[in-house]
Amino acid sequence: AQSVSQHNHHVILSEAASLELGCNYSYGGTVNLFWYVQYPGQHLQLLLKYFSGDPLVKGIKGFEAEFIKSKFSFNLRKPSVQWSDTAEYFCAVSGGATNKLIFGTGTLLAVQP
Amino acid sequence: DADVTQTPRNRITKTGKRIMLECSQTKGHDRMYWYRQDPGLGLRLIYYSFDVKDINKGEISDGYSVSRQAQAKFSLSLESAIPNQTALYFCATSDPERGKAFFGQGTRLTVV
Repeated sequence: AQSVSQHNHHVILSEAASLELGCNYSYGGTVNLFWYVQYPGQHLQLLLKYFSGDPLVKGIKGFEAEFIKSKFSFNLRKPSVQWSDTAEYFCAVSGGATNKLIFGTGTLLAVQP
Repeated sequence: DADVTQTPRNRITKTGKRIMLECSQTKGHDRMYWYRQDPGLGLRLIYYSFDVKDINKGEISDGYSVSRQAQAKFSLSLESAIPNQTALYFCATSDPERGKAFFGQGTRLTVV
């Protein structure tokens, strides 16, 4: 069965610091990978996605993620965070016969001004 | 208008009461999901439906039931609410080829 692991549960950074959030998945077949963001009090929004092709994908607001198939990873990065990036970030994967969407436990990012 | 609409947005109910959360979508997707979000546990899948006649249990379906009244509507029911069902509930749809999801605004349910 598919599963998604996010090892960083709570990250605190100062503005302008670089960000990397880890995401690992367990599924041997073809997968589609996503990062969603949930700003305080809001619903989940798509940040970026990987379906195929270039393993380095760029999303909104300066975020990017790299798909490394050999490591079953899809880490999220941003070179310089802003206070407005304070949110919870969820990695998700779909794949297999059903393409059911499975989420990780989320990483709460707090950016201090 | 939102692609995925949940009602109510907030609800407080008493232990033992029956409650229904409703979800409607305008995406035209066959696939719909109900998740609950709890701090530190992320989003956990309660039920999902890949078309009107296809209903499947997710990882935490106990204590919940669903109804897919039409392609556009997918309701979640708590037959007898209990306090540990206090959570934020999200409805979502997804496109069938890739699984990209579209979420509702969420329903904050408190069971007292």
